[in-house]
Amino acid sequence: QSALTQPRSVSGSPGQSVTISCTGTSSDVGGYNYVSWYQQHPGKAPKLMIYDVSKRPSGVPDRFSGSKSGNTASLTISGLQAEDEADYYCCSYAGSYSWVFGGGTKLTVL
Amino acid sequence: QVQLVESGGGVVQPGGSLRLSCAASGFTFSSYGMHWVRQAPGKGLEWVAFIRYDGSNKYYADSVKGRFTISRDNSKNTLYLQMNSLRAEDTAVYYCAKFLGPLGAFDIWGQGTMVTVSS
Repeated sequence: QSALTQPRSVSGSPGQSVTISCTGTSSDVGGYNYVSWYQQHPGKAPKLMIYDVSKRPSGVPDRFSGSKSGNTASLTISGLQAEDEADYYCCSYAGSYSWVFGGGTKLTVL
Repeated sequence: QVQLVESGGGVVQPGGSLRLSCAASGFTFSSYGMHWVRQAPGKGLEWVAFIRYDGSNKYYADSVKGRFTISRDNSKNTLYLQMNSLRAEDTAVYYCAKFLGPLGAFDIWGQGTMVTVSS
């Protein structure tokens, strides 16, 4: 499977909102409501931020939200904070018990 | 406290083998599917393999199929990844991850173990 397409980088100022897109196909993002998002700080393990397109695990601030339209999923971070600066990866179930990640997006908080 | 701890990484020559382990604690290991996910240096995440909670079914990415084997020992709360015929492109940090299910996300990750394939 080909990796999902994410912008290489996005940026925003503290307090602003940013949205990261994740584009796939009808065989992955568009075909299932099993899109998840991960935050990864340098040298650290990924952390689950959103699952099943728009659900938030306990402990994840409600500043983080997810959505999907057609073959594109989105992660929106509102009220940007300095600690949100990290790499973000989307992931989708791709059928036949396989999963595919996006290439990752580097978020810079200006 | 829910925790996953990987071990077994190291430097291996091309064509060689390595077995990774992932020790689980703080949750009922035998009730959850488990995955291996890897990340090459400076690159993104790549799903590698999945095993059902009882070990009955195993699934692999095309890039490792026929070379890697995922397994588990529920009596020892441990997940394994046997890696054979290693190639330079297998060089990566390997993470084990707990499956949230039913087809969704990876909710708990280990700290990762580095595998370097080099002569």
